[in-house]
Amino acid sequence: DAVMTQSPLSLPVTLGQAASISCRSSQSLVYSDGNTNLNWFQQRPGQSPRRLIYRVSNRDSGVPDRFSGSGSDTDFTLKISRVEAEDVGVYYCMQGTHRPTTFGQGTRLEIK
Amino acid sequence: EVQLVESGGGLVQPGGSLRLSCVVSGLTFSNYWMNWVRQAPGKGLEWVAGINQDGSEIYYMDSVKGRFTISRDNAKKSVFLQMNSLRAEDTALYYCARVPLGPTGDYWGQGTLVTVSS
Repeated sequence: DAVMTQSPLSLPVTLGQAASISCRSSQSLVYSDGNTNLNWFQQRPGQSPRRLIYRVSNRDSGVPDRFSGSGSDTDFTLKISRVEAEDVGVYYCMQGTHRPTTFGQGTRLEIK
Repeated sequence: EVQLVESGGGLVQPGGSLRLSCVVSGLTFSNYWMNWVRQAPGKGLEWVAGINQDGSEIYYMDSVKGRFTISRDNAKKSVFLQMNSLRAEDTALYYCARVPLGPTGDYWGQGTLVTVSS
């Protein structure tokens, strides 16, 4: 299985400051069709998860442009340019290249 | 409006069985892979099983292989998870989810809680 390792696991951030989450895969996430199936999800307290980013760097509809994804092969990053109060929650990376699908452990973002 | 509504959770003794159901509305159900994802209390997300559009491709996480069975009924716009030989570590909120690889949006239910305890 592709093991997804996130860091940090806890991320205290001052409002208006930038935040960055790393996700590393134990295997290359480049699929045979050339796509890299790495997603990022946000789970706010008490809510179901929602996807923010698909295929490394593509924002889902309605996702603020302060969220961006980057990376390639096995190393990926989610960046929030200016953290707002509504960004509090847990962020997960998820790979869909290899079966079974696997998630990272999650990174808890909190406001300092 | 797209809705995914799970049901079937509850309290069950170790070794027991439960069948979860998820009814989907507001999208062309038969066009999409469907998944079950779980979240133990206070823990992270864990993908459990997935099934393709016509049920010919099915995948499971290792720890549930041989115990859980995912299935679907496209006429009823429903996906199911039959869970047998349940263990305490299967205790979790189970989400039904459509999580595409590409640009079409993801959809999640609110989850159904499974508690395995004596």
